[in-house]
Amino acid sequence: DIVMTQSPDSLAVSLGERATIKCKSSQSVLYSSNNKNYLAWYQQKPGQPPKLLIYWASTREFGVPDRFSGSGSGTDFTLTISSLQAEDVAVYYCQQYYSPPYTFGQGTKLEIK
Amino acid sequence: QLQLQESGPGLVKPSETLSLTCSVSGGYSSSSSYYWGWIRQPPGKGLEWIGTIYFSGTTYYNPSLKSRVTMSGDTSKNQFSLKLSSVTAADTAVYYCARGQGAVSPFDYWGQGTLVTVSS
Repeated sequence: DIVMTQSPDSLAVSLGERATIKCKSSQSVLYSSNNKNYLAWYQQKPGQPPKLLIYWASTREFGVPDRFSGSGSGTDFTLTISSLQAEDVAVYYCQQYYSPPYTFGQGTKLEIK
Repeated sequence: QLQLQESGPGLVKPSETLSLTCSVSGGYSSSSSYYWGWIRQPPGKGLEWIGTIYFSGTTYYNPSLKSRVTMSGDTSKNQFSLKLSSVTAADTAVYYCARGQGAVSPFDYWGQGTLVTVSS
């Protein structure tokens, strides 16, 4: 199984500041034939299902604000929120869909400082 | 707007079989055109992919659960189902159904989830 490890486990950022969450996979999720990284980011607010934010490591899902961005390749990935808003308080998960079982990171809890 | 709704018993006894159904409605919801998955989340914990089904009959299961999982679908009803046998307290979780654009894709639409508790 591909193990997904996120850091940090929790993060407190001031409103309007940048938030950065890391995700590392135990093996590459880059498929060489199409040069795509099979990595997604989700946001989960309390009592709600996860919401897809980013796929192919850096493509924003329709309707996701452009303050959310994804980057990275191979085994190291980053989710960045450029200017934290109050509604961004949530737990964020990365997921690899390169190879079954499709595993998730343990989650990063983002709070307001 | 596509909607997914999980349904089934909220309480299952140990050693019995957990059975859930996901009903798909709204938008372009032709269930035969997409892949449909089950994901679970124990209370206060992270997400675990259980499996994915395509209505051609193709299924992909998490190896850690494969011996206990069966997924099936009914395109005429726009429903798909999950059965998990020989449950224990470790199977207590919120169970989500979700849609994938392909066999290898993230999940772009999710149900609200249903809590299943395994207890005698």
